[in-house]
Amino acid sequence: EAGVAQSPRYKIIEKRQSVAFWCNPISGHATLYWYQQILGQGPKLLIQFQNNGVVDDSQLPKDRFSAERLKGVDSTLKIQPAKLEDSAVYLCASSFVNRGTEAFFGQGTRLTVV
Amino acid sequence: AQTVTQSQPEMSVQEAETVTLSCTYDTSESDYYLFWYKQPPSRQMILVIRQEAYKQQNATENRFSVNFQKAAKSFSLKISDSQLGDAAMYFCAYRSVLSGGGADGLTFGKGTHLIIQP
Repeated sequence: EAGVAQSPRYKIIEKRQSVAFWCNPISGHATLYWYQQILGQGPKLLIQFQNNGVVDDSQLPKDRFSAERLKGVDSTLKIQPAKLEDSAVYLCASSFVNRGTEAFFGQGTRLTVV
Repeated sequence: AQTVTQSQPEMSVQEAETVTLSCTYDTSESDYYLFWYKQPPSRQMILVIRQEAYKQQNATENRFSVNFQKAAKSFSLKISDSQLGDAAMYFCAYRSVLSGGGADGLTFGKGTHLIIQP
C-alpha cells in the first residue's frame, strides 16, 4: 500500500516570497490534515479536510496561509508572503473517517525562510 | 481546549533494558483517544500504540505497553527490551471524540527524545 506522498522534501525561500506544498493521501482516505512542526515542538494542526470540505481551520493563519483539496484527493498548502517564523516541517496526514483509526503521515516538507 | 504535556525532553536507556516515557493531559471530556507516535530522523510519524479512554484495559503492542490512569489523566509508555531501532522522538497525542463537525485533529505534546545506549 502506497503511503502519504509529499513534495518537495526541502525548500528554502526568502522572506516575503510565496511557497506551496503538495500532498497525495492514501487512496480511499477521506480525511486529510496539514500540521506545522516547529523545531523542538510537537506538530500543530493547521487544517483538516473531509473530502472537499474544510472541517477545522481554526489554527490556520488565514492572512498568509491557504489550503485546498482538489476533488477530495490531492491537497496543496500555500504560504504567501512567508515570514521567518514559518520555518518548520509541514506534515500531511490522512485517515479514514473514524476517530479511532490511525492517521498516516507523510515525510513532510522542511521549509527554511531566510 | 485540550493540552498534552511531556515533561521529559530527553531520556536515555541501555540496550535491552526497560524505559518509561511520561505523558499527562488535560481535558474535560470523558471519551477520547490517546496515542503514542514515534518520529525517527526521517521525520515520518509512526503510530506506536493507541488507547481508547472508555477501555480500562491498558493497550499492549509487542514490546510497547501503556499505563493509562484516566482519573490522573496520565498516559505513560513503557518500552521493554529496548533496541537501537527504538531511538527516536516520541510524541504523546490526544484526539477528541466529541468535537463537533467531525474535527478530530491530534493535539501533540512537545516530545521526548529517546537515546538507546549500546
